[in-house]
Amino acid sequence: GNSVTQMEGPVTLSEEAFLTINCTYTATGYPSLFWYVQYPGEGLQLLLKATKADDKGSNKGFEATYRKETTSFHLEKGSVQVSDSAVYFCALGTGGFKTIFGAGTRLFVKA
Amino acid sequence: GAVVSQHPSRVICKSGTSVKIECRSLDFQATTMFWYRQFPKQSLMLMATSNEGSKATYEQGVEKDKFLINHASLTLSTLTVTSAHPEDSSFYICSARRETYNSPLHFGNGTRLTVT
Repeated sequence: GNSVTQMEGPVTLSEEAFLTINCTYTATGYPSLFWYVQYPGEGLQLLLKATKADDKGSNKGFEATYRKETTSFHLEKGSVQVSDSAVYFCALGTGGFKTIFGAGTRLFVKA
Repeated sequence: GAVVSQHPSRVICKSGTSVKIECRSLDFQATTMFWYRQFPKQSLMLMATSNEGSKATYEQGVEKDKFLINHASLTLSTLTVTSAHPEDSSFYICSARRETYNSPLHFGNGTRLTVT
């Protein structure tokens, strides 16, 4: 079946550090991949997406590349800020209406 | 701006009462909406898929008589927590997506329900 596995948190970084949050997936067919971000007390917001292999999604300094050969969609940012502190969810969509979410990774960025 | 609106954002109710949460898609029609529950520091748990004009599809283990879903129009789905108990206290989030291939989900801001 379809599933998403992402690294466990929490991840604690100092401001301006490099961020990587790993995400791997299993899926039949050709899924789309997403990263969502949830700030404290709020719903989720789409951060970026990629719809086919080798696509790179990017937004607000975050990037993720759809790697079919390694079934991965790792989230990266070169220099994190305190305001990036949030929970990040990797997700998979298969063209049907269900979206499969990873468990979420909590990021704390210290000033 | 927000494309999915959820209301209320917070509600406190007494045990045994019912609470209704609304989810509206603001600038697109959504024949399908989704209701999630999120426990503290945990991921989203899909509760049910709300289908306009027909019955909702509930995930395994979710009591359909406890969590009533009504999707009466193409822009509105409601979740009613009936006879609420303290264990129903949680963060409930709705989402919807445009009906184009592989479009992402748009989420409401969630409803924090506290049952006393």
